[in-house]
Amino acid sequence: AQSVTQLGSHVSVSEGALVLLRCNYSSSVPPYLFWYVQYPNQGLQLLLKYTSAATLVKGINGFEAEFKKSETSFHLTKPSAHMSDAAEYFCAVSFSGNTGKLIFGQGTTLQVKP
Amino acid sequence: GAVVSQHPSRVICKSGTSVKIECRSLDFQATTMFWYRQFPKKSLMLMATSNEGSKATYEQGVEKDKFLINHASLTLSTLTVTSAHPEDSSFYICSAITGTGGHNEQFFGPGTRLTVL
Repeated sequence: AQSVTQLGSHVSVSEGALVLLRCNYSSSVPPYLFWYVQYPNQGLQLLLKYTSAATLVKGINGFEAEFKKSETSFHLTKPSAHMSDAAEYFCAVSFSGNTGKLIFGQGTTLQVKP
Repeated sequence: GAVVSQHPSRVICKSGTSVKIECRSLDFQATTMFWYRQFPKKSLMLMATSNEGSKATYEQGVEKDKFLINHASLTLSTLTVTSAHPEDSSFYICSAITGTGGHNEQFFGPGTRLTVL
């Protein structure tokens, strides 16, 4: 069965510090991987996605993620946190041949301290 | 980018009544729409997959008679919560994609906050 695990439900960093949000997946078939951000009482916005091209994926707002098949990971990073990055982040997985159905991780709340 | 809207953004209803939530793709035709439910501080739980002109496919454990989904056109899907009860209170989010395949980006609506008194 396919699943997604986000390590750490809450991450706190100082403004300007590195952001690292962890995501591991379990899949028996090649996955497509996504990171979404959600601000309070809003829907989800796509940050970036991996669809079997380059393993290092650059997204919006300075975020990037690296697909590591050997580690079954797709961690999200940003070199320097900004106050506006405080939000809920979700890692999600989908699979070739399906209708696009996403399986979401539990979410990680990012807090940015001044 | 593609825009998905939801209406209403918030609704409060009495227990036992039915509530309809609309999901529209504003500038593209959505072959498939998805309905999710999100509890506070929790992840999104897929409720059903909706394809235009066909019956929705519900996830295990989701009552299809309680959560009625209609996908009448390529730009509109509706979710009706029938005989709502307080435990149905939640944040409901829809999403839409064009084409088929797991690599397609889903565009999410802003969500609807349902409160059942």
